[in-house]
Parts: sequence; C-alpha cells; structure tokens
Amino acid sequence: QKEVEQNSGPLSVPEGAIASLNCTYSDRGSQSFFWYRQYSGKSPELIMFIYSNGDKEDGRFTAQLNKASQYVSLLIRDSQPSDSATYLCATPGGSYIPTFGRGTSLIVHP
Amino acid sequence: DVKVTQSSRYLVKRTGEKVFLECVQDMDHENMFWYRQDPGLGLRLIYFSYDVKMKEKGDIPEGYSVSREKKERFSLILESASTNQTSMYLCASSFPAGTSGTGEQFFGPGTRLTVL
Repeated sequence: QKEVEQNSGPLSVPEGAIASLNCTYSDRGSQSFFWYRQYSGKSPELIMFIYSNGDKEDGRFTAQLNKASQYVSLLIRDSQPSDSATYLCATPGGSYIPTFGRGTSLIVHP
Repeated sequence: DVKVTQSSRYLVKRTGEKVFLECVQDMDHENMFWYRQDPGLGLRLIYFSYDVKMKEKGDIPEGYSVSREKKERFSLILESASTNQTSMYLCASSFPAGTSGTGEQFFGPGTRLTVL
C-alpha cells in the first residue's frame, strides 16, 4: 500500500516567517510530487509540482525533493495570513490514481 | 482554463433518497475521480474512471455507484442516502501521468451534502 504521510498540525507561524511543511512517502517508485493548497470550504488547487531531486522555486514557494530519504517538503517564505490553509502532498505514484497525504494545516498569525 | 463543474454546491436530502451528483470537465481529460472529504480523514477516493463506461472502485465504494456515459461527465449516485454519507464531495479530472502530462488533478468546487 502506497502511503504519503504528513503531520496534521496545525503549524502556527508568525507573519513574515518561513513555514516548512513536510511529507514522507513509502513507495520508492514515486517519481514526482504535487503540493496542493486548500482553503477552508474550498477545493484543492495545485501550487507546486516537482519531479527532480533538489529544489524548485516559484515566487515565495520552494519545493524540495529528496528521493534517497523519501521526503518532500514545501517552504513558504515571508508567510502571509492569506497563506493560512491546509496543504496536501500527493504523488501520481506511477499509477492512474494519485496518493494523497491527509494534509497539514498552516496558520499564519499577524 | 481548465474547468471542472459540479451540479450543486449545497444539497440537503433525506435518509433513503436516491441522490445524483454530477461532474463535468471541459479539458478532454481521460481520468475522472470522486472523493469525499471529512475532517481529519483527508481525501478518500470513492470511484475512479479512466475512460468512457470504465470505472474502478476506490477505497470506500460501499453505498455508491457511478456512471460515465460521456467523456466529459462523471456522475456519482447514492442509491439510498444515509446520515453517514453527510460529507463534502469533490470531483476531479486529469490526464494520466506520463506522456500525457504530470497527472495533475483539477478539482471542482465541491458539493456539501447533508443527509437528514
């Protein structure tokens, strides 16, 4: 059974700080990963996709993938209250059906 | 822009009623999915379809059925609604991961179903 694990949180950070969200996975065959953001009462939306070892940056967001250690992380720099949401880690896992983590709740307080 | 639409944002039904949830996507995606999402349980896959008239059970198919008669439309049916089916239902679509793309899923806005 493929698994993607996330700490449910909540992770609470002050405005302007770096928020670090982590995800571990069990399937060594997983090649790529998504980070989705889900605001309360809304549906998930994709914010990052990563398939290579190392870092991928997009604005204030950086995704990091370490295939040897089987973890993927999302860093949010200069966190804003509008970043408060649940962040879901997922992998296609080589099959039709992606595997999702349960998500980490992030709270950015002013 | 990819668009996935769901027939209702909010729905209230009575126990025992037959409930239809409709999902339509406009990007010619092969794959379509139905999830339910409950606090603390994350996204749970109910059914999945990779082609017209094709369906596969997900993790929690009991009490549900699906229909995919056209590529753009995927329907979720609650044969006899029960109170434990009160939940947020999310539809998603994607190309398969691989040569067609990353496998990124595009989600509809969700239907919050309450069964009384």
